[in-house]
Formats: sequence, C-alpha cells, structure tokens
Amino acid sequence: DAGITQSPRYKITETGRQVTLMCHQTWSHSYMFWYRQDLGHGLRLIYYSAAADITDKGEVPDGYVVSRSKTENFPLTLESATRSQTSVYFCASSNPGLAGSEQFFGPGTRLTVL
Amino acid sequence: SQQGEEDPQALSIQEGENATMNCSYKTSINNLQWYRQNSGRGLVHLILIRSNEREKHSGRLRVTLDTSKKSSSLLITASRAADTASYFCASMRGSARQLTFGSGTQLTVLP
Repeated sequence: DAGITQSPRYKITETGRQVTLMCHQTWSHSYMFWYRQDLGHGLRLIYYSAAADITDKGEVPDGYVVSRSKTENFPLTLESATRSQTSVYFCASSNPGLAGSEQFFGPGTRLTVL
Repeated sequence: SQQGEEDPQALSIQEGENATMNCSYKTSINNLQWYRQNSGRGLVHLILIRSNEREKHSGRLRVTLDTSKKSSSLLITASRAADTASYFCASMRGSARQLTFGSGTQLTVLP
C-alpha cells in the first residue's frame, strides 16, 4: 500500500517551459490538494479538488493548472514556468467522511526553475 | 496571507525538557491541527482539536485551544532527539476541507 506518491521527486527546468507534477493516492480519498512550501511562508494552498472533475482555486493559483479525471490522480501543471515558481510542492489527500479530517501528505517535489 | 502565525520561529532545548509552541489565527475555525515535518520530508499529522474542545492529549503531546484569543499551543513533554523537526499549526474554517498553515516552529532537541 503506497499511500500517496509524487513524481518526480526533483525537477530542474528552464523559464518558459511547461512542467507537470504528478500525484497519486491509493486510498480513494475524494479530496486532494496541492501546496507549495517556501522559506518564511509555510505551506500555501495552490488548488484543491473535492472529487473527480471538481477543482477549485486556493490562495496562490496563478500560473498553475490542475485536472482530476480520476479520483486517484491530481496532476499540477505549470504552463510556463517562472523563477518565482521555484519551490517544494506537496500533494495531500483527505477523507471527507470525517468532519475536519486530517490530510495525508506526499513526500514532495523539489522544483527548480532556472 | 497566512491565517496562522507561530512562535517561536525556532526553539532549541535539551533532551528531556518540555517544548511549547504557540499558534495564533485570525478567523473563526472548525478545528485546528498540528503537523510535524522532518527535514526533506512531507508533513505528518499529529493531533486535531475541534473548536468546542479546550484541551486534547495524545501520548507526549498536549494541545490547548483558546477560541476567545484565537490561539493554540502544542506541548511536547520529555522531548527526545527524534522530536527534532518543524511543527506547523493549520486551521480549518467553515465547511471547506482546506487548511491554512502557519509558518512553523523549528524545534531542535539536543542530546
């Protein structure tokens, strides 16, 4: 039981390139989230999804696109990467059956945009 | 902007001592959660306290919540070197499942 996985774990890209970060969970949790973590800012929510085909913006959605065609996958795409998107990206999932339930986090993807 | 702010930003203690971290938030919440992050790893959930609760315990962890002051504290008793990590509070508001994280406290427990 792998839980929640992210790929790649490390990525270096150049400004202007498109990058897709993958997130996969095996629990059938309906909620999934993308965060970015930068020094001094903690974690900030980029996008989240309540179910397949339902997504919504978080605190910092500009420059990112998400999709959720299957419950278990929640890819995050940077359409045209910028240096300010250099960060560590975390995917998380949660079980909506429990009020205020905890989130389970993936190991993160460290993205560097040159 | 961050819903939660934590203090101290960094805390260094000796093994066996207690560690206390504080968190403040700005709006009404449904619950407040604490997470731990070891260096280079993802976050791990530690404990959740609901808005109608004042105190909760889990092993060596004790969390308090004061909704009138919009603040929470996490106490780790009898700390161990393995407790060295960053600790984040996260608040959940309304019916949404979103969490808003504080900026974290870096705890170092010296052996």
